[in-house]
Amino acid sequence: ETGVTQSPTHLIKTRGQQVTLRCSSQSGHNTVSWYQQALGQGPQFIFQYYREEENGRGNFPPRFSGLQFPNYSSELNVNALELDDSALYLCASSRQGPSGANVLTFGAGSRLTVL
Amino acid sequence: DQQVKQNSPSLSVQEGRISILNCDYTNSMFDYFLWYKKYPAEGPTFLISISSIKDKNEDGRFTVFLNKSAKHLSLHIVPSQPGDSAVYFCAARLDFGNEKLTFGTGTRLTIIP
Repeated sequence: ETGVTQSPTHLIKTRGQQVTLRCSSQSGHNTVSWYQQALGQGPQFIFQYYREEENGRGNFPPRFSGLQFPNYSSELNVNALELDDSALYLCASSRQGPSGANVLTFGAGSRLTVL
Repeated sequence: DQQVKQNSPSLSVQEGRISILNCDYTNSMFDYFLWYKKYPAEGPTFLISISSIKDKNEDGRFTVFLNKSAKHLSLHIVPSQPGDSAVYFCAARLDFGNEKLTFGTGTRLTIIP
């Protein structure tokens, strides 16, 4: 059983640029969520995708967008990068089912630095 | 507005003793609470959870207690082992079926051999 894999692990961008982060969900998982973890903070929910549609969004501006593909892999896109976007971006997958809590399985994250 | 708070940024405990990590929340609509553990350069991994209708859940060395009236939960680890050294995040869920978790800022636990 493969876990959640994210790429790239580290990247550096400059203000105003655009970035795409990628995530492969754990096998058998049909839901993907993205979180932003700033230094010294806990992860903050960005959005969730289920069946290729956005299914919940946190308090992030529209320049944060995402995609989920038929194979349940996902992308996070951030346009017009700002210095405050520097953070660890975590992808998490789960299997949405009819009962019980859906425990998230997290990837190791992509660390973005905006200069 | 920090709805889930972990007021202790760090905690050091002797190996073999009990570690107690605390978490407070403000939103009484949270229905499920989880603890995640995070090692450096790895993603958070699920540790243990508790439904809002229960007051205790135990799994091996780990026990989570929930006090709804005080809006407080705690994670007990006994006995503590060096491999338990990590950052622990408390998280809460608002609605059944909604994957959005609200995390605290984490507590760095160091187990002293």
